Amino acid sequence: TQLLEQSPQFLSIQEGENLTVYCNSSSVFSSLQWYRQEPGEGPVLLVTVVTGGEVKKLKRLTFQFGDARKDSSLHITAAQPGDTGLYLCAGAGTYKYIFGTGTRLKVLA
Amino acid sequence: NAGVTQTPKFQVLKTGQSMTLQCAQDMNHEYMSWYRQDPGMGLRLIHYSVGAGITDQGEVPNGYNVSRSTTEDFPLRLLSAAPSQTSVYFCASSPVPTRGFFTDTQYFGPGTRLTVL
Repeated sequence: TQLLEQSPQFLSIQEGENLTVYCNSSSVFSSLQWYRQEPGEGPVLLVTVVTGGEVKKLKRLTFQFGDARKDSSLHITAAQPGDTGLYLCAGAGTYKYIFGTGTRLKVLA
Repeated sequence: NAGVTQTPKFQVLKTGQSMTLQCAQDMNHEYMSWYRQDPGMGLRLIHYSVGAGITDQGEVPNGYNVSRSTTEDFPLRLLSAAPSQTSVYFCASSPVPTRGFFTDTQYFGPGTRLTVL
């Protein structure tokens, strides 16, 4: 069974701080996606990484796919209250996504 | 475009009752899926479909049935509800993965919050 472990599970920080969320597995994935979910809504895709070692930037968010395509990280620079939410990673298998356990981020003003 | 729609938004059932959760998409996506989300467990795949008439099991299929008679609709049926099925259910759709591997955006509906007493 493929598993994706995310850490930390919870994170509460002050506005302006930096943070990194990790997504780790013992399995190789063909691609990996990061989502953000607001309360009462479905997850919304932030980014897809496909190539080992790939780095993608989305404004203050930086996503990296591990060289071996088993892990990924999400780094947020100068966090803002609008970044508050549940962050989920999802690894792509054959016709299936395996979701991580989630990181709940709260950014205090 | 409405995207992915789900009904109902909330539902309370008694143990043993049956019901169908509705999911529809207007993006002409071949791939559709159902997930359940429980605290601390992320999203777990229940069933998925790669096109009309084709369905397959995900991680946690027991107690759920699906069918796909049209491209647009992918209903999820609970045959005999149990308290363990209390959860938030999400439907999602995307273009069919190339050679089985995803690179496209997966769009999620707003979810159905189900409580089984």
